[in-house]
Amino acid sequence: AQSVTQPDIHITVSEGASLELRCNYSYGATPYLFWYVQSPGQGLQLLLKYFSGDTLVQGIKGFEAEFKRSQSSFNLRKPSVHWSDAAEYFCAVGAWNNDMRFGAGTRLTVKP
Amino acid sequence: DTGVSQDPRHKITKRGQNVTFRCDPISEHNRLYWYRQTLGQGPEFLTYFQNEAQLEKSRLLSDRFSAERPKGSFSTLEIQRTEQGDSAMYLCASSLGYSATGELFFGEGSRLTVL
Repeated sequence: AQSVTQPDIHITVSEGASLELRCNYSYGATPYLFWYVQSPGQGLQLLLKYFSGDTLVQGIKGFEAEFKRSQSSFNLRKPSVHWSDAAEYFCAVGAWNNDMRFGAGTRLTVKP
Repeated sequence: DTGVSQDPRHKITKRGQNVTFRCDPISEHNRLYWYRQTLGQGPEFLTYFQNEAQLEKSRLLSDRFSAERPKGSFSTLEIQRTEQGDSAMYLCASSLGYSATGELFFGEGSRLTVL
């Protein structure tokens, strides 16, 4: 079965600084990859997804992610973080049968 | 608002009691999912429906758990004889489509506390 590892439990960045959240997946076939964000008291919201084609995908709120098959990674990036980006971020991998597995999440704190 | 709604948002119960959660998906969505999320963890897949058919169940879903989607619209998740280990956030999500690539839209969750 597929699995996801998010190595960083908690990251703190200063407002305006760049951000990269790491995600590594394990899956034997072509993965469907997702990043979701969860703010306190809110439901999970999809930031972006990768199915095929261009390995650099753009999402909402200025986020982007790059799929690197050779590294089994799908890291999330943002060039300039805003205070409102503070939240929990989840990477997920979906299989052909729609079984989506999530990582444990990375909590982002933004310093003023 | 036509998003995914879940009820109740928070349920406190005593060990051994039964609880039921309801999920109303986005109206035109044919797929509905249940996940469980504990503190510090990502959502764990429990089960999913395509229309009224329950197509897959996780091994996490013990015999005390049952989910239904009787008319392919709303769904219920019942937990019988609750245990303290059942305390978690139960998330519902829905999607449109017949492949693995449909975006999941999540509700805000139902938090269960078992005393």
